Amino acid sequence: DAMVIQNPRYQVTQFGKPVTLSCSQTLNHNVMYWYQQKSSQAPKLLFHYYDKDFNNEADTPDNFQSRRPNTSFCFLDIRSPGLGDAAMYLCATSRAVGEQYFGPGTRLTVT
Amino acid sequence: AQSVTQLDSQVPVFEEAPVELRCNYSSSVSVYLFWYVQYPNQGLQLLLKYLSGSTLVKGINGFEAEFNKSQTSFHLRKPSVHISDTAEYFCAVITGNQFYFGTGTSLTVIP
Repeated sequence: DAMVIQNPRYQVTQFGKPVTLSCSQTLNHNVMYWYQQKSSQAPKLLFHYYDKDFNNEADTPDNFQSRRPNTSFCFLDIRSPGLGDAAMYLCATSRAVGEQYFGPGTRLTVT
Repeated sequence: AQSVTQLDSQVPVFEEAPVELRCNYSSSVSVYLFWYVQYPNQGLQLLLKYLSGSTLVKGINGFEAEFNKSQTSFHLRKPSVHISDTAEYFCAVITGNQFYFGTGTSLTVIP
C-alpha cells in the first residue's frame, strides 16, 4: 500500500545532542511537510518542500533544519534539542496543495 | 487571521448517542474542507473531505459532514458513537493555496 513512513516511532535524545528524524513516502507526492505537535494542540507547520523548493515558516526556530535528497525522503534535523522540543513530529505529503497524507509520527523525548 | 475555528475543545458524549463537532471557516474565496481524526500516539487520518459537488459528504467510520456556504460551516456528525470514536478531531481548510488546521476537538465517548 502507498503510504508515509516515519522512523523511528519513538526517539529519546539528550539535551543538546543532535537528532535526525526521517520520513519516506511511496505516494510520489511532490509536497512534503514537517509538523510539530505538542500535547492537546493542533499540528504546527515547521516547513515544507514543494518539489525541491524549501519553504520555512516564519516562526520556525533556526534549531530546526530539513533536507529532501529526493522525492521519496525528507529529514528533520534538530541541531541542539531543548526540553521544549519534546513533541510528536508528523510528516505529511500531498500532491500540490491538497489533501495531506500523514505518517504515524515520531514521539521525541529530550532528557 | 483565524481561518478555521473549532468552537468546542472538548465534547463528552454517551455511547450510542449522536454527536456533532462544529467547524467554521473564514474565507471569501473557494475552499476545500477536511476532517481528520487522530488516535493517541498516531498520525492524522482523513475522515472525509469536501472539494466540490454534493454538500453532504460521507466519510469513514459512519461520519458525515455538511458544507454550508452561507454559514461558512462544515460540521461533523455521527448518529451513534462508539467507544472507539474517542479521539482528537481536526477540521482543516485549504484556501488561497494555504492549508490551515483548527485547534481540534477532543471527543470522549462515555460507556
